[in-house]
Amino acid sequence: GAGVSQSPRYKVAKRGQDVALRCDPISGHVSLFWYQQALGQGPEFLTYFQNEAQLDKSGLPSDRFFAERPEGSVSTLKIQRTQQEDSAVYLCASSWGQRGAETQYFGPGTRLLVL
Amino acid sequence: AQKVTQAQTEISVVEKEDVTLDCVYETRDTTYYLFWYKQPPSGELVFLIRRNSFDEQNEISGRYSWNFQKSTSSFNFTITASQVVDSAVYFCALKDTGRRALTFGSGTRLQVQP
Repeated sequence: GAGVSQSPRYKVAKRGQDVALRCDPISGHVSLFWYQQALGQGPEFLTYFQNEAQLDKSGLPSDRFFAERPEGSVSTLKIQRTQQEDSAVYLCASSWGQRGAETQYFGPGTRLLVL
Repeated sequence: AQKVTQAQTEISVVEKEDVTLDCVYETRDTTYYLFWYKQPPSGELVFLIRRNSFDEQNEISGRYSWNFQKSTSSFNFTITASQVVDSAVYFCALKDTGRRALTFGSGTRLQVQP
């Protein structure tokens, strides 16, 4: 079966541009997570969806970051007015349940470089 | 608050050597879950294992084994007879009942030389 997919795999943006990153979770997975991974670091949590509801956005670093999952499947992470410090790999993960104990399966990530 | 420490930043071994990756965690919860993920150069995080806090049995899967010790808050990962394909960054992660997200360590880069 298909795993988590993300697009684009690489994105170069000029400072100040808006970008949109897409995540297709594993079919049927209820929970979806976004993480940010800086170079040489472990992933850090950004936000969490249960179906279409965004239940936790405590990790979003600023109001320039916005995520949505309108139909409970595909999710988009949008970054407005990108800054150089936004350069990182953005990882999406999904899990089948909603109890919170299930294993998260990750996509290949989107590597964002802001010039 | 949750915390995961992987003190080994980088390890280099020669093929066929055994290698152990250390992971120490902190949590106030009595129920929690521990994970190991592998991140090869392609970038995707590959799930390896999940352990529940109430199950301290060690586990072996082929050349991989995991030693979970609640008394020392450690969840160490051993690769026996390492191979070049084992070269990757390995992350230990924790999930307790306080939040749904995973808390990751900073990772250990393993290089296996032929």
